[in-house]
Amino acid sequence: EADIYQTPRYLVIGTGKKITLECSQTMGHDKMYWYQQDPGMELHLIHYSYGVNSTEKGDLSSESTVSRIRTEHFPLTLESARPSHTSQYLCASSEVVPGFKLNFGPGTRLTVT
Amino acid sequence: GENVEQHPSTLSVQEGDSAVIKCTYSDSASNYFPWYKQELGKRPQLIIDIRSNVGEKKDQRIAVTLNKTAKHFSLHITETQPEDSAVYFCAASKGRSNYQLIWGAGTKLIIKP
Repeated sequence: EADIYQTPRYLVIGTGKKITLECSQTMGHDKMYWYQQDPGMELHLIHYSYGVNSTEKGDLSSESTVSRIRTEHFPLTLESARPSHTSQYLCASSEVVPGFKLNFGPGTRLTVT
Repeated sequence: GENVEQHPSTLSVQEGDSAVIKCTYSDSASNYFPWYKQELGKRPQLIIDIRSNVGEKKDQRIAVTLNKTAKHFSLHITETQPEDSAVYFCAASKGRSNYQLIWGAGTKLIIKP
């Protein structure tokens, strides 16, 4: 079944560690996004991509980077985790046309100690 | 910059009554307005959307109205049920962009039995 997947679902890690959050989608969507969200709170766009080899920073300042080497894969890397990075990270994808429906992944709950 | 204001932040209604959530946007070029529902611990899901060339759209118990002149749009839920309890987010497209949304801060809807 076509869907969007995120791993790990939960991660507890120490300050200063490098981590990569994985996101994969099997829907063939060109557009992909990373959002940061504290539970039940506002969604903040941190990165997005129009397609392979295209990445842009969103509105939320973040010490993270992304890459888009394959259509289906959009990983997010934190070079040096800090307690302020503790949050939920949601990956999403959408079609280019005709609509703009965002399909969200299940999220990664990150805790930095 | 562009923003979307959403009210109220919390709404408590009796089961069977109607609920109305309102959003105001600032970018007059916005042309797409979706509503997402996020149940506790789950991913946001699109429940209804409207484009700027339409004033109202209905889907069973859910409706959205758009007033382009006043730059506001509203979500109406009739005959509320316990499963309607969730956080609801409105959003507006960034200009005529098909790539970015400006999100409201969310409304926690509580359905009282």
